[in-house]
Amino acid sequence: DAGVIQSPRHEVTEMGQEVTLRCKPISGHNSLFWYRQTMMRGLELLIYFNNNVPIDDSGMPEDRFSAKMPNASFSTLKIQPSEPRDSAVYFCASSPRDRANEQFFGPGTRLTVL
Amino acid sequence: GESVGLHLPTLSVQEGDNSIINCAYSNSASDYFIWYKQESGKGPQFIIDIRSNMDKRQGQRVTVLLNKTVKHLSLQIAATQPGDSAVYFCAETPGTYKYIFGTGTRLKVLA
Repeated sequence: DAGVIQSPRHEVTEMGQEVTLRCKPISGHNSLFWYRQTMMRGLELLIYFNNNVPIDDSGMPEDRFSAKMPNASFSTLKIQPSEPRDSAVYFCASSPRDRANEQFFGPGTRLTVL
Repeated sequence: GESVGLHLPTLSVQEGDNSIINCAYSNSASDYFIWYKQESGKGPQFIIDIRSNMDKRQGQRVTVLLNKTVKHLSLQIAATQPGDSAVYFCAETPGTYKYIFGTGTRLKVLA
């Protein structure tokens, strides 16, 4: 079974550039989460989608961050413009309808903003 | 791979010995707890969970113990193997999607 798929795995960009991270959740899962992991703050929930609808975006740091889920099999997290402090590993996770508390994580995207 | 914390507590265990990783949780309303394993360069991987109406749950080589009185969770790994080397996180939730993750413990298995 394919797990959560994220791309790219690594992204290096310069300050001010737009960054788009992509996620394909596990087929049949109806909840999707974006997390950010840093050394200082650990794992932080950025946004939660249920049935493609954003339910909780209170963790999104600021207006530079936006996320979309146009269909059940695809989501993007966009940072525009990017800043060095956005450097982190970004994880996407999904959970199934009957086990909503159990989140399956993707391999992550390591973002470095120079 | 990425490192999840420069100052993570580290537990070093001899291969074949049992490991015990501890976690203090913060919310007395939490009723569901999960242990995740994160290997270098990978995302957190679900290991085992436990609900607040239980105090012990066993999986394959792993056991989770829950002490609600002192808000403490532990993960026991039997016969620790080199492949168990990773960072282990506990997570708590009051039954919602919002997990509160612990800071993690790095487990090093010595050959």
